[in-house]
Amino acid sequence: KAGVTQTPRYLIKTRGQQVTLSCSPISGHRSVSWYQQTPGQGLQFLFEYFSETQRNKGNFPGRFSGRQFSNSRSEMNVSTLELGDSALYLCASSSTIAGHSTDTQYFGPGTRLTVL
Amino acid sequence: AQSVTQLDSHVSVSEGTPVLLRCNYSSSYSPSLFWYVQHPNKGLQLLLKYTSAATLVKGINGFEAEFKKSETSFHLTKPSAHMSDAAEYFCVVSLNAGNMLTFGGGTRLMVKP
Repeated sequence: KAGVTQTPRYLIKTRGQQVTLSCSPISGHRSVSWYQQTPGQGLQFLFEYFSETQRNKGNFPGRFSGRQFSNSRSEMNVSTLELGDSALYLCASSSTIAGHSTDTQYFGPGTRLTVL
Repeated sequence: AQSVTQLDSHVSVSEGTPVLLRCNYSSSYSPSLFWYVQHPNKGLQLLLKYTSAATLVKGINGFEAEFKKSETSFHLTKPSAHMSDAAEYFCVVSLNAGNMLTFGGGTRLMVKP
């Protein structure tokens, strides 16, 4: 099976712009989660989608949003970009149905966003 | 609330010597615990996971971890380090509340020839 894929791999934007990142989960996986990785804050949970519904949300401002399509592919959007949004954004997929803590999440290679 | 503390931000070992990466967790519930590895410019790869079936968990590439409830620890070990083990390692906890992973701060493992 192909792994989790993320596009684009690299992005450069300027402050105030918005950006959309895409994630295709492993075939058959219905849960997609997003994480932000920065040197200062480490890895932080953004949100999780399951069957096109946001099931969990981390502590991020409303500028960060996402959605999931019927084929389980997911996008996240960041509006009004700030310098502090520069980060590696990781997507993970899981085959969970019940959202059990024992489910393994498989990560994609990430999208590195640079905000100038 | 749950949290994870990785006790060392950097660990340096010589090739062929044992590896010990330390992790303590805090959780009000019965947690699931994971170790992930991240090589430079790569995503996260699962090394192993603990889900209460056995306290000693064997993972890939010769790594293993032992869950000690009394010490709230989940340390990662490997008997003999290889140059390819140089990477950043994350201890992760998950509650019975969906796919919300809480990550430790990471330990960068350096392997000297």
